[in-house]
Amino acid sequence: NAGVTQTPKFQVLKTGQSMTLQCAQDMNHEYMSWYRQDPGMGLRLIHYSVGAGITDQGEVPNGYNVSRSTTEDFPLRLLSAAPSQTSVYFCASSYGPSYEQYFGPGTRLTVT
Amino acid sequence: GQQLNQSPQSMFIQEGEDVSMNCTSSSIFNTWLWYKQDPGEGPVLLIALYKAGELTPNGRLTAQFGITRKDSFLNISASIPSDVGIYFCAGQGAGGTSYGKLTFGQGTILTVHP
Repeated sequence: NAGVTQTPKFQVLKTGQSMTLQCAQDMNHEYMSWYRQDPGMGLRLIHYSVGAGITDQGEVPNGYNVSRSTTEDFPLRLLSAAPSQTSVYFCASSYGPSYEQYFGPGTRLTVT
Repeated sequence: GQQLNQSPQSMFIQEGEDVSMNCTSSSIFNTWLWYKQDPGEGPVLLIALYKAGELTPNGRLTAQFGITRKDSFLNISASIPSDVGIYFCAGQGAGGTSYGKLTFGQGTILTVHP
């Protein structure tokens, strides 16, 4: 049981490049979410999904896209990276938003 | 959107001291959660609170769900060096539009001197 896995662990992008942050969980959780963590800001919700085929925006969705074609996977796409997207990104999953969220190890992204 | 204010932002204490931190919200929450994050890791759940007035222990930790449903408190007794880390509160708001949206506080950085 691997829990929540995220790849890559580190990434450097140039402004304007696109990329996908991968997130997978093997706990059969319906609820998955993406957060970004910046110093002094805590974790801010980007997008979330309450089940396969269902996604919705969180607090800071601009510049990010998501899709949820399977229960296990919830990729986060940056279409045109900007320096303001330099951050640590965490994926999480749980049985529901009020239940314990299991976090992945994070992806540290730098956009130059 | 919903705002969570967590305080203090940081604490420097001696081993053996007790610690208190709290979160306040501008709106009502149905659920309060307290997480701890170690450097380079994702947050890990410490205590979950589902009912106003609820006082829940977890070893040396105790968390309370405020009666007004707009605040929560975390206490750590007899701190030890491994308590070092960042502590986050998180809440899920009441109301249909809040379903699925967990809001986190800014975090309290705890340093324990041996």
